[in-house]
Amino acid sequence: DAGVIQSPRHEVTEMGQEVTLRCKPISGHDYLFWYRQTMMRGLELLIYFNNNVPIDDSGMPEDRFSAKMPNASFSTLKIQPSEPRDSAVYFCASSFQETYNEQFFGPGTRLTVL
Amino acid sequence: AQKVTQAQTEISVVEKEDVTLDCVYETRDTTYYLFWYKQPPSGELVFLIRRNSFDEQNEISGRYSWNFQKSTSSFNFTITASQVVDSAVYFCALSEDAGNNRKLIWGLGTSLAVNP
Repeated sequence: DAGVIQSPRHEVTEMGQEVTLRCKPISGHDYLFWYRQTMMRGLELLIYFNNNVPIDDSGMPEDRFSAKMPNASFSTLKIQPSEPRDSAVYFCASSFQETYNEQFFGPGTRLTVL
Repeated sequence: AQKVTQAQTEISVVEKEDVTLDCVYETRDTTYYLFWYKQPPSGELVFLIRRNSFDEQNEISGRYSWNFQKSTSSFNFTITASQVVDSAVYFCALSEDAGNNRKLIWGLGTSLAVNP
């Protein structure tokens, strides 16, 4: 089975532009997580879903960030408008209810906002 | 409040040395889980182990071993006879077992360099 798939792998954009990151979790997994990783702040949980429903979005930095999961096989993280401080690696991860928090991570999207 | 501390920011060893990565946690809950993840240079984090708070038995998996001590709130990770392929950033994490809670509290990671 394929692992967690994220696209794009790299994104370079200019301040003020909209950015959409995409994630396809492992088939059968019922939890999906979005993380942000920076040198300064380490690994931060932004939001996570259970069965496509957002459970905890307390880590979403501000209203410029939004995440959706329209079905079990797809999720998006959108930043609008983007700012230079949003530059980071964004990871998507998924896990199965029965294997508590054994999260499988995607390769990440490296976002650079100029 | 929950917190995970990995005091060692960077460690450098020579191949075949043993190395221990420290992890100290804080939580008020009696039921919780501890984890170790590995992030190799390729970037993807990889799950290594999960331990629940009621199981203090040490775990060994090949060259990897974990020592969980509730008395000192520590969950240390030892690599025996380290190899260059062990070079990575290692993260310790904590979650409380509260219903649907799946939020992991992460340490800042320890970067391990194993030199030939």
